[in-house]
Amino acid sequence: AQSVTQLGSHVSVSEGALVLLRCNYSSSVPPYLFWYVQYPNQGLQLLLKYTSAATLVKGINGFEAEFKKSETSFHLTKPSAHMSDAAEYFCAVSGVDTGRRALTFGSGTRLQVQP
Amino acid sequence: ETGVTQTPRHLVMGMTNKKSLKCEQHLGHNAMYWYKQSAKKPLELMFVYNFKEQTENNSVPSRFSPECPNSSHLFLHLHTLQPEDSALYLCASSQRDLDRKYGYTFGSGTRLTVV
Repeated sequence: AQSVTQLGSHVSVSEGALVLLRCNYSSSVPPYLFWYVQYPNQGLQLLLKYTSAATLVKGINGFEAEFKKSETSFHLTKPSAHMSDAAEYFCAVSGVDTGRRALTFGSGTRLQVQP
Repeated sequence: ETGVTQTPRHLVMGMTNKKSLKCEQHLGHNAMYWYKQSAKKPLELMFVYNFKEQTENNSVPSRFSPECPNSSHLFLHLHTLQPEDSALYLCASSQRDLDRKYGYTFGSGTRLTVV
């Protein structure tokens, strides 16, 4: 079955520092991969998605992610953190696997940005 | 405004009450989803509707009853809930359930508290 593992439930960085949020996936078919962000008391907002085109995907708010098939990873990065990036981030995979077509989400990583 | 509207935003109900959650989308999407988000747990897919037909029920207890009268509206009817059902209930939509490359658009959720 398809699954997503996000390493680290909490990540803390200083303002201006590199942000790296890790995501590894498992899928028996070529996956489509997504990163979502959730601000307090809000729903999930799509940051970026990989759909088998370019392996380096650029999203909103300066975030990008690189699909690495050999490592089954889709890590999210941002060169310089801003206070407004503090939120929870979810990685998700979509694959036609044992009839499950809907998105499967990871457990989420809460990003704290220190001044 | 995300294009997916959920009402109410907050709901407190007793275990013997009957209430309904409403979701509405004006994006022209044909697939709609209910997810449950509990503290410290991954998002749990509950139901999937594709062109008004339920295509997935993820072993959800019968005290949760979905209804999809058309592709723009989705309801979740609640009755005799338990305190452990307290969570954020998220509605999402996508163009078509079978098109894996499309991400989902989420509503802001209904924060449900069962007392």
